[in-house]
Amino acid sequence: GQNIDQPTEMTATEGAIVQINCTYQTSGFNGLFWYQQHAGEAPTFLSYNVLDGLEEKGRFSSFLSRSKGYSYLLLKELQMKDSASYLCAVLDSNYQLIWGAGTKLIIKP
Amino acid sequence: DVKVTQSSRYLVKRTGEKVFLECVQDMDHENMFWYRQDPGLGLRLIYFSYDVKMKEKGDIPEGYSVSREKKERFSLILESASTNQTSMYLCASSSGETYNEQFFGPGTRLTVL
Repeated sequence: GQNIDQPTEMTATEGAIVQINCTYQTSGFNGLFWYQQHAGEAPTFLSYNVLDGLEEKGRFSSFLSRSKGYSYLLLKELQMKDSASYLCAVLDSNYQLIWGAGTKLIIKP
Repeated sequence: DVKVTQSSRYLVKRTGEKVFLECVQDMDHENMFWYRQDPGLGLRLIYFSYDVKMKEKGDIPEGYSVSREKKERFSLILESASTNQTSMYLCASSSGETYNEQFFGPGTRLTVL
């Protein structure tokens, strides 16, 4: 079966750095997405990785290792507004998105 | 800015009722999707459409149907609502290739009593 694993919940301090991991087992791979979802709101796109390595976009970076079936989202200089759920999703061999359950990130002052 | 709108933010229906959820996007996107989101589970795809009048089943199509008569509008229909269809329903759209980002609507929280 297809599976995406992410921690259910993480807590971090304002101004710090946090890494949210995602491991996947899917039938084929055509890219990995990260989305942010604030409580009661729609998910919004953060990043897309299809090649191995780190992609940086401001305070957010996303890393992919296809051989390990592993990705992480790195958030730097955390702000209170970063409190949200972070969803990992993999595009499988049929170009269908397989979604993880999301990681709820709590930022404390 | 891409805008995806959904007809209702909150909806309460009774078991057995027919329920219509409407989704409209204003960016001329070819692809449209209906998901449901439940606590502790990832987004689950119900149906999707790559073109007008075209529809494909997702992972959990049972108890649902869809309609896409116009490019900008994608409707989800619950033929006979049941309590296990109480959920958050999210509509999304994207352009062109499947690796393009999806833009989501604000969601409809449906409660079936």
